[in-house]
Amino acid sequence: ETGVTQSPTHLIKTRGQQVTLRCSSQSGHNTVSWYQQALGQGPQFIFQYYREEENGRGNFPPRFSGLQFPNYSSELNVNALELDDSALYLCASSLDRNQPQHFGDGTRLSIL
Amino acid sequence: TQLLEQSPQFLSIQEGENLTVYCNSSSVFSSLQWYRQEPGEGPVLLVTVVTGGEVKKLKRLTFQFGDARKDSSLHITAAQPGDTGLYLCAAMEYGNKLVFGAGTILRVKS
Repeated sequence: ETGVTQSPTHLIKTRGQQVTLRCSSQSGHNTVSWYQQALGQGPQFIFQYYREEENGRGNFPPRFSGLQFPNYSSELNVNALELDDSALYLCASSLDRNQPQHFGDGTRLSIL
Repeated sequence: TQLLEQSPQFLSIQEGENLTVYCNSSSVFSSLQWYRQEPGEGPVLLVTVVTGGEVKKLKRLTFQFGDARKDSSLHITAAQPGDTGLYLCAAMEYGNKLVFGAGTILRVKS
């Protein structure tokens, strides 16, 4: 069984740029959630997608957006990057909305 | 949003010692989860506790859920270097949204 995979593993951008992070869900999982984890902190919920529809959003500005595709893979897009966006971005998939979440190893995003 | 406070923030111990980490809130949880995260990896679910007063054991790890379902603890017996990592507690909010504490960094020295 293939786990949750994220790409790229590391990324360096400059302020004002845009970035797209990708997540391949575990086989059979229809729900994906994205989290931001700043250094020394626990993950913070960004949003969740269920069957291609947004199903909840945390306290993040609209420049954080997402997509879930028919094969349940997902993207996180961040526009107008700021220095504070430097963090580990984690994707987690689950069999359904109320099932345990399985995390990928994240994408480390650094903003210069 | 439920606020989860974890203590201590950092723990450095010798191999073979016992330790306890805590997760507290003023809110009542329907359930609480414990994760371990190693450097460069995502969090891995260790256990979910649901019932007040529940105790679950996972080898040398013992998890306890408070009677009032507002707090939880993780006790490790005879810690080993392989236990090193970030321990996170998390509570489920509506819509499968996980709210995490800031975590406890555990370092076990051999």
